[in-house]
Amino acid sequence: EPEVTQTPSHQVTQMGQEVILRCVPISNHLYFYWYRQILGQKVEFLVSFYNNEISEKSEIFDDQFSVERPDGSNFTLKIRSTKLEDSAMYFCASTEGPNTQYFGPGTRLTVL
Amino acid sequence: EDQVTQSPEALRLQEGESSSLNCSYTVSGLRGLFWYRQDPGKGPEFLFTLYSAGEEKEKERLKATLTKKESFLHITAPKPEDSATYLCAVQERSGGSNYKLTFGKGTLLTVNP
Repeated sequence: EPEVTQTPSHQVTQMGQEVILRCVPISNHLYFYWYRQILGQKVEFLVSFYNNEISEKSEIFDDQFSVERPDGSNFTLKIRSTKLEDSAMYFCASTEGPNTQYFGPGTRLTVL
Repeated sequence: EDQVTQSPEALRLQEGESSSLNCSYTVSGLRGLFWYRQDPGKGPEFLFTLYSAGEEKEKERLKATLTKKESFLHITAPKPEDSATYLCAVQERSGGSNYKLTFGKGTLLTVNP
């Protein structure tokens, strides 16, 4: 069964460093998303991506964040200068259209 | 004001003791309501999608129902392996190509043997 994959599973970084989180969506899906979940809190929408551009972003997704689909299979989230408050689980999701989103296993980001 | 409210926050059941989880929502136009299961440290795992009031979906011991204001996830004769956090999420009807999900805080279900 096709699934969304994410790497790395755990990333530890120093405050102020850049990180890139990687996702491989399900192959025939066209819409891609990043969500995050701070420990003990709810899953929050960050950004949606379709047709090689951002279709919507939340207030959380400020200038420190960017997304890219560098090739036909990968979808990345970059945080340019990490802050302590960026520590969270980051989930990638994909879907064919306005229906079920399938989530990856997540990347746990720890900012020290 | 939260658009999606789940209750209870936590529920502890004995094996075989049936119960229901609630998800109430306040969106202007609902495209879909989704139930996910989340195990600790893992990503949300899809369970059900409901699109219109009156719709019901079933899978093993779980049944999801939808009204115009809320959804219920009924768990019949639960087993310890059903222990997880159950997440409800809504997708609003809007123009464009964004189908983002808005999640509730979840219900942590513990089923004791």
